[in-house]
This record gives sequence, C-alpha cells and structure tokens, in this order.
Amino acid sequence: NAGVTQTPKFRILKIGQSMTLQCTQDMNHNYMYWYRQDPGMGLKLIYYSVGAGITDKGEVPNGYNVSRSTTEDFPLRLELAAPSQTSVYFCASSTTDGGNQPQHFGDGTRLSIL
Amino acid sequence: QKEVEQDPGPLSVPEGAIVSLNCTYSNSAFQYFMWYRQYSRKGPELLMYTYSSGNKEDGRFTAQVDKSSKYISLFIRDSQPSDSATYLCAMHMDTGRRALTFGSGTRLQVQP
Repeated sequence: NAGVTQTPKFRILKIGQSMTLQCTQDMNHNYMYWYRQDPGMGLKLIYYSVGAGITDKGEVPNGYNVSRSTTEDFPLRLELAAPSQTSVYFCASSTTDGGNQPQHFGDGTRLSIL
Repeated sequence: QKEVEQDPGPLSVPEGAIVSLNCTYSNSAFQYFMWYRQYSRKGPELLMYTYSSGNKEDGRFTAQVDKSSKYISLFIRDSQPSDSATYLCAMHMDTGRRALTFGSGTRLQVQP
C-alpha cells in the first residue's frame, strides 16, 4: 500500500522558473493538504482540498496554485519561483478534517530556488 | 507570538532514559492535541492524539494535556535509539479552522 506519494523528491529551480509538485494518494481520502516546512518554523498550510473540484487557501498561499480534478491527485504549482519558496513541501491526506483523524504524509519534495 | 511554542532541542539522552517533550499554546479553542514523529528525510507520522484534557498511554508513550495551563507533554519511557527523530506537536480546533497548527518540532537523539 503506497499511501501518499510525492514526486520529485528533490529539485533545484532558477528564479522565475515554474514547476508542478505532484501528489497522489491511494487511500480514497477526500481531504488533501499541502504544507511547507522551513527550519525551526514547523509546518504551515499552503492549500487544502475537501474533495475533487474544491480547493481553498491555507495560511501561506501566495505564489502557489492548486487543482483537484480527481480524488487521488492534488498537484501544487509554483508559477514564478522565488528564493523565499526554498523549502520542503509535504502533501497529506485524511478521511475527514476532524481532529481525531490522522493526516497521512508523503515523504516530501525538497525544493531549492537559486 | 506563535500560537504553539515548542523547544527545538536538540535533546540528547542515553538509551533507557525517560524523555519529556513539551509544547505550550495560546489559543484556548484547540480541542485535539497530537504528537507526530518525523524521521530524517521522511514525512511526519501520527504517534498519538488526545481530546481535551487528560492522559493517554500507548506502550512506552504517554501523552498529557493540561488545558488550564495550555501545556501538553509527551513522555517516552525506556527510550531506544530507534526513537531518535523530530517530534512535532500539533493542535486542532475541531470547528472552524480545518488545518492542524504545528509546533516547530523537538529533535531527539537517543544514544546507545
């Protein structure tokens, strides 16, 4: 059982380039999330989705876009990469958004923007 | 001021020691309190969750929540080298805000 799969694992981008971080889950979860993790700062929510076709902004959405065309996939797009977007990005999913439901995380995409 | 404060460590202990990890928070609306464990180069995984105040035990791990003090703890008994990881506390309001609010994590190293 794969769980949450993120690709790529590592990427170096130049300032101004764009890219899409891929996330797919095979647990049939309705809720999916994108977080970024900066050193000493914990995880901050970028965007989340409560089901196919429905997305909403989190705490730090600027510079990112998402789409959710299927239950399984929740890609995150960076349109104009900036050095401030250097971070580790985690995708997660859960059955509901209740506090008693664990969020299942992928292993992250490490992104450097130079 | 951050909503959730967590000592970043690193915390180094000998094998077999009792470990105490802690978080404080400022928002009294938090109802669910979780501990996630994150190994190097991996995503976080849920260890335990507690609803409201009280204690919860699972094997060598005990989670405590004191809502009156806005203080939560995770105790690890008989710590093992395999417990070496970063431990993140996380909190959830149960209504309204859908996201978890995470602490910054405490890095734990258990020396054999």
